[in-house]
Amino acid sequence: GAVVSQHPSRVICKSGTSVKIECRSLDFQATTMFWYRQFPKQSLMLMATSNEGSKATYEQGVEKDKFLINHASLTLSTLTVTSAHPEDSSFYICSARYPGQGRGGNTIYFGEGSWLTVV
Amino acid sequence: AQKITQTQPGMFVQEKEAVTLDCTYDTSDPSYGLFWYKQPSSGEMIFLIYQGSYDQQNATEGRYSLNFQKARKSANLVISASQLGDSAMYFCAMREGQNAGNMLTFGGGTRLMVKP
Repeated sequence: GAVVSQHPSRVICKSGTSVKIECRSLDFQATTMFWYRQFPKQSLMLMATSNEGSKATYEQGVEKDKFLINHASLTLSTLTVTSAHPEDSSFYICSARYPGQGRGGNTIYFGEGSWLTVV
Repeated sequence: AQKITQTQPGMFVQEKEAVTLDCTYDTSDPSYGLFWYKQPSSGEMIFLIYQGSYDQQNATEGRYSLNFQKARKSANLVISASQLGDSAMYFCAMREGQNAGNMLTFGGGTRLMVKP
């Protein structure tokens, strides 16, 4: 079963509005989560690193004020796309590392991803 | 320089045959991890297999095995007995260092198409 859950899976919003995407680690604590963006037929590009209890670290070229990240608890990180525009339409996906030792200890799991369409 | 390179943008394989997806990487860190993910058209990223830089044996997970050639810096994914459901994008990724915060760097991906 899923160990990282992302919601919503699909969202359509009007241009100028904001939309929030949630990423939850299920049954484990994730002090760090990652947000990626994927354009059609391209690879995943890291947007930011979400740190529980502190500010997110953004990659170069990613607007902090546009993509607000909040990691309020050890199991939840949220990405808010503010004042969305059609060019923000994309596939957004989060990931978290499953903690501990053993076979699963080094595994990084992804959420199901969220398709955002801004009209 | 590209940290992760997947040279095959697309590949065909006959059902029930084995296929190898190439991945080469570049890092100066002695500690790193290599991952393979499958991405079907729905978009989700499905973890397939992991290989640590210090692992002595090649990783295997069911029909998936990783041909880890450390000196050549390659980590090819081998899928045995291909099934129609294996048709998807496949991404190779690397995590560098012990305290890198688990950030993954991805290759460009390979689209695998399994023919009946």
